[in-house]
Amino acid sequence: RKEVEQDPGPFNVPEGATVAFNCTYSNSASQSFFWYRQDCRKEPKLLMSVYSSGNEDGRFTAQLNRASQYISLLIRDSKLSDSATYLCVVSTGNQFYFGTGTSLTVIP
Amino acid sequence: DTEVTQTPKHLVMGMTNKKSLKCEQHMGHRAMYWYKQKAKKPPELMFVYSYEKLSINESVPSRFSPECPNSSLLNLHLHALQPEDSALYLCASSQAPRRGADTQYFGPGTRLTVL
Repeated sequence: RKEVEQDPGPFNVPEGATVAFNCTYSNSASQSFFWYRQDCRKEPKLLMSVYSSGNEDGRFTAQLNRASQYISLLIRDSKLSDSATYLCVVSTGNQFYFGTGTSLTVIP
Repeated sequence: DTEVTQTPKHLVMGMTNKKSLKCEQHMGHRAMYWYKQKAKKPPELMFVYSYEKLSINESVPSRFSPECPNSSLLNLHLHALQPEDSALYLCASSQAPRRGADTQYFGPGTRLTVL
């Protein structure tokens, strides 16, 4: 079983739409959770860390459910510039486990 | 400053060549990582250095040889590579290896092509 499972998509949404990505992880001892964004042929860049209380950064909201071992990312009012691959990352100690990434294309 | 730098940006090498990839960070991070990423796949962990010592080797072939000369530098020495080793090689660092709550920062990567 994979450490982190993520729906690869692709998600094609119109500008202004709300889109949600989900991710599950298998190790209940996992300590830290992140969403990264990766543009084509570029490196992954941290979008936001995910906390148990949930956290919001502008149009982006991340949630963590430790009981269900589930992480989500909600993007509201999608912009063309949000088109990218979104990677769910879970860490335990100094090991970071990546989901397969979810591809998002925002269409004009 | 959350910058990790990598050189070169692009590298083309033959199967008999020896080359090195370099990574540098000045954030005082004590964990550094090498990942390999193929197109449309997530990064795959290769090596982890923790306080300048190799702590994880994910069964990487010996034609890849990591080196951590000091806490700011990480090298990946390449020798006798195969065409299937062509990929984006990403370096990353994080602050404290065993805290488990630290963010990982990535360099821009070296795009390697093996002919």
